[in-house]
Amino acid sequence: NAGVTQTPKFQVLKTGQSMTLQCAQDMNHNSMYWYRQDPGMGLRLIYYSASEGTTDKGEVPNGYNVSRLNKREFSLRLESAAPSQTSVYFCASSALWTGGQYGYTFGSGTRLTVV
Amino acid sequence: SQQGEEDPQALSIQEGENATMNCSYKTSINNLQWYRQNSGRGLVHLILIRSNEREKHSGRLRVTLDTSKKSSSLLITASRAADTASYFCATDPNAGNNRKLIWGLGTSLAVNP
Repeated sequence: NAGVTQTPKFQVLKTGQSMTLQCAQDMNHNSMYWYRQDPGMGLRLIYYSASEGTTDKGEVPNGYNVSRLNKREFSLRLESAAPSQTSVYFCASSALWTGGQYGYTFGSGTRLTVV
Repeated sequence: SQQGEEDPQALSIQEGENATMNCSYKTSINNLQWYRQNSGRGLVHLILIRSNEREKHSGRLRVTLDTSKKSSSLLITASRAADTASYFCATDPNAGNNRKLIWGLGTSLAVNP
C-alpha cells in the first residue's frame, strides 16, 4: 500500500544510547517532516526537508539530527538519548510544502521510551 | 507555538448524533486543514478549506471557515462508533515561503454505541 513507512514501531532505550528512526515514502513526495507528539503538547516539528537535498530545524531540534538520504527516505537520529525524548515520533510527507489539497501523509508512529 | 486551538478538548456523544468541534487561530491563513487520529495511529488528512472558501463538504463532514473571526468548525453528521478519534486542525499561515503548518492540540471525540 502506498504511504509512509516508519520503523521501528516501538523502542526502549537506556539514557545515553543512540538510535536512528527510519522513514520511507513511496508517493514521490517532495517534502518530509519529523514530529514528536506528547500529551498536552500537540505535534511539534523537530526537523523537516522541504525538498531532496535540504534539511532544516523545526521547533524542537535539540538532541536530534536528520538525513534526507534520497527523495524517499528521511531518517531521524538520537545521538545520546535522554528521558525527555520519550515520546511518539511521526514521520510525514507531502507533495507540496504545507500540504496543499491532499495535506500531509503520516506514518503510523514510533513509540520511544528512554529509561 | 500552537496557533490552532480546538474546543471542546473532549466530546462524548451517542451514535447517530452530530458532533461539532471548533478551531480558532491567530494570524491570517492560506488554508486550514482538518485531520483525524485514531488511537495509536498516525494522523489522516480529512479536508482542506482555503481562505476564500466559507464552507466545504466531504461525505458526512462539513467544514466552515470564518476568516473575520479566525475560526473554523468541523461537523460530523450521523456519527458512528468508528468516528471515535482525536481531531486536529492545522493552519497554513499567510507568511511567505518559509511558513509551516501550525497545529492545534486536538479534540478527543468519543462516539458511544
